[in-house]
Amino acid sequence: KQEVTQIPAALSVPEGENLVLNCSFTDSAIYNLQWFRQDPGKGLTSLLLIQSSQREQTSGRLNASLDKSSGRSTLYIAASQPGDSATYLCAVKKATDSWGKLQFGAGTQVVVTP
Amino acid sequence: GAGVSQSPSNKVTEKGKDVELRCDPISGHTALYWYRQRLGQGLEFLIYFQGNSAPDKSGLPSDRFSAERTGESVSTLTIQRTQQEDSAVYLCASSLLNTDTQYFGPGTRLTVL
Repeated sequence: KQEVTQIPAALSVPEGENLVLNCSFTDSAIYNLQWFRQDPGKGLTSLLLIQSSQREQTSGRLNASLDKSSGRSTLYIAASQPGDSATYLCAVKKATDSWGKLQFGAGTQVVVTP
Repeated sequence: GAGVSQSPSNKVTEKGKDVELRCDPISGHTALYWYRQRLGQGLEFLIYFQGNSAPDKSGLPSDRFSAERTGESVSTLTIQRTQQEDSAVYLCASSLLNTDTQYFGPGTRLTVL
């Protein structure tokens, strides 16, 4: 059974510092991995999606890497801003289930202080 | 709006009552997913619909939970005889054929007293 773990559970940094969020998964047979942001009282916003054949994806200040063989993904957020404060979730989709469910980690709650 | 919408945004009910939650996916999205997020926990998959195929119900926690979808549009999640452990935020997502990104609605917060 796939298990997705995110460390740390919570993180507080001063504005301007880089953020490093970790996600690990136990079954390397994944179809893709997706990073989401969740703001209180709101739904999830997709940040980056990495296909199993890719090593990384970038969007603006965000960069996500994927090492499928070791079951790890890292989300980097450069030059953090108070607006980056949110809970960040990673989710994987099984390789045999291209249209199916995502399996989520519990998330990392990030606070960026001005 | 162009996003996934859900209603109601909040629902408070008494234990034992039935509730119905609604999801309007993005127009044209063939896949629709329901997830549950309990306080302080990650999202749990409940059910997904893909076009006219039989839904994947493997995540439904008990037979008190059921869901329907009319064609490629609205879906309703029904919880019968609600229990306190059903209290959670219920999230709906949809995705477009040939893409994998799931777009989430704002969720329905269900509180069972």
